[in-house]
Amino acid sequence: DTGVSQDPRHKITKRGQNVTFRCDPISEHNRLYWYRQTLGQGPEFLTYFQNEAQLEKSRLLSDRFSAERPKGSFSTLEIQRTEQGDSAMYLCASSLGLDEQYFGPGTRLTVT
Amino acid sequence: AQSVTQPDIHITVSEGASLELRCNYSYGATPYLFWYVQSPGQGLQLLLKYFSGDTLVQGIKGFEAEFKRSQSSFNLRKPSVHWSDAAEYFCAVGANSGYSTLTFGKGTMLLVSP
Repeated sequence: DTGVSQDPRHKITKRGQNVTFRCDPISEHNRLYWYRQTLGQGPEFLTYFQNEAQLEKSRLLSDRFSAERPKGSFSTLEIQRTEQGDSAMYLCASSLGLDEQYFGPGTRLTVT
Repeated sequence: AQSVTQPDIHITVSEGASLELRCNYSYGATPYLFWYVQSPGQGLQLLLKYFSGDTLVQGIKGFEAEFKRSQSSFNLRKPSVHWSDAAEYFCAVGANSGYSTLTFGKGTMLLVSP
């Protein structure tokens, strides 16, 4: 069990560019979650997958945000036309059913 | 809608002293409750969880928390703090059915003085 991994750990991009982050959950976990954490705040839920199905996406911050989990394993989170307000830590978590969520180390995005 | 309040943004405790971090939640049914710790550059690590049963929950690193339904609270305690406990602590509430997204508080930063 290598835990939840995220790549890259840091991303610096210019405003208007697209970015994509990857999350690899714990192998037997069927649920995968994306959260965003800004400075001084707790993580904020964005979206959730059970296997390959995206069951909740109404909390994605805008239509510039999208997520996929094509084969029910790893997931990607894409932000199109980045804005400075998108600068944050993006966290991925996985769980087996309703059991506790295990978090990855996060991807820190800086939009200049 | 569920919510979590952590009223203390920062707390400073002397090494060896006891610790209590406060957490109040709002949720319409029986909640799932969690405490996570986040050290700089690290991901969130689960300290303990409450799903049901005994309202006093033991966790890792010598932490415990008590669920008090009448006060809508889930305070985190430790009898003797170590310098390595300095970190940010987050309380979270989750649904006990369906999918379990977590709603987090804003966190409490624990500083440990020598």
